[in-house]
Amino acid sequence: LAKTTQPISMDSYEGQEVNITCSHNNIATNDYITWYQQFPSQGPRFIIQGYKTKVTNEVASLFIPADRKSSTLSLPRVSLSDTAVYYCLLDYKLSFGAGTTVTVRA
Amino acid sequence: NAGVMQNPRHLVRRRGQEARLRCSPMKGHSHVYWYRQLPEEGLKFMVYLQKENIIDESGMPKERFSAEFPKEGPSILRIQQVVRGDSAAYFCASSPRQNVAYNSPLHFGNGTRLTVT
Repeated sequence: LAKTTQPISMDSYEGQEVNITCSHNNIATNDYITWYQQFPSQGPRFIIQGYKTKVTNEVASLFIPADRKSSTLSLPRVSLSDTAVYYCLLDYKLSFGAGTTVTVRA
Repeated sequence: NAGVMQNPRHLVRRRGQEARLRCSPMKGHSHVYWYRQLPEEGLKFMVYLQKENIIDESGMPKERFSAEFPKEGPSILRIQQVVRGDSAAYFCASSPRQNVAYNSPLHFGNGTRLTVT
């Protein structure tokens, strides 16, 4: 099973763009890349999912290079309420890992 | 459309007692997944069930833990003879189809926080 690696933490300010990269060198051909957001005392919430190239929805964009060995979640113009832990996941069976704690400051 | 419902939200048990955690998936979802999260750690997969069947229990401890998803009613995660190390948040997720084969995102409940005293 492919394993993922993310930065432990990132700091940002309101209105800035935040980009979180997840490395998955051994991603399988049939693996999709899914990102989740988790607030304290809540379950993870689905943000976005993709297989290759670029996916965009109302809250985020996901960039996946041709070799699919990494992916980047882009959060445009973050606000204080975007402070959370962000996880990338390839397969339900894998642990979510520690995720990336994003702290947005005023 | 109600989301994934877990109850109770908080559960306190003494060592040696049994803990029963319940999960009602989203309407129309027939696949349920259980995860455990220790403080300051990510979620770890425990078990994946479809109605009346355990599909994958590779993350489940070999002893004291069991799970079921009957034809009628919620999925149940059961922990017998709890120990302090079982204290954690237990999350349930559901999907309408098999997550891996159909790239169906997981929808999570808000968890049950088990405290063993």
